[in-house]
Amino acid sequence: GQQLNQSPQSMFIQEGEDVSMNCTSSSIFNTWLWYKQDPGEGPVLLIALYKAGELTSNGRLTAQFGITRKDSFLNISASIPSDVGIYFCAGQLYNSGGGADGLTFGKGTHLIIQP
Amino acid sequence: NAGVTQTPKFRILKIGQSMTLQCTQDMNHNYMYWYRQDPGMGLKLIYYSVGAGITDKGEVPNGYNVSRSTTEDFPLRLELAAPSQTSVYFCASSYASPNEQFFGPGTRLTVL
Repeated sequence: GQQLNQSPQSMFIQEGEDVSMNCTSSSIFNTWLWYKQDPGEGPVLLIALYKAGELTSNGRLTAQFGITRKDSFLNISASIPSDVGIYFCAGQLYNSGGGADGLTFGKGTHLIIQP
Repeated sequence: NAGVTQTPKFRILKIGQSMTLQCTQDMNHNYMYWYRQDPGMGLKLIYYSVGAGITDKGEVPNGYNVSRSTTEDFPLRLELAAPSQTSVYFCASSYASPNEQFFGPGTRLTVL
């Protein structure tokens, strides 16, 4: 199956700093999604990207769908304590029937913020 | 709307036992999915369904079965539990595909 390489694995930053993480793949994806997961909870959708080159913001979060369709990045500006958690990228392919199958997930970036 | 709900939250099984993980969504979504998440890993797709009566295998379907008799429910069945099935299981749904998938809170399963 497809593989997503997500980096970094973990980040230790100071409150107020900006954060950047990315995902790369050897396969082309048609959709990129970014999720955040808190301990003991299911993933919560942050940003969805549907077109190559698309740049989308959601408050302090900004994500881009790479031109090659093989990568995406997520930036968080001015981090705050509640940003702590695990961030996952996920890609989705269209199948031969025109629909899409399930998501392929990266292994996650664990964000830790020191006040 | 409750969104996606899953029961039970936790379960311990002995090797060889069987059980059904329940998943219900009240958003009238056509698409439903089952994923498993192992420690330190992303989620892997087990099975998915594009509508009532239609199911298909994902990346890791071995040892599992599903059914979709209604739009709302998508149960996941483990027939002969094995230690390798110890994991956290997440159900998700979406209105269409590709589209945003909304996840339930998960079921933590341990097989001893």
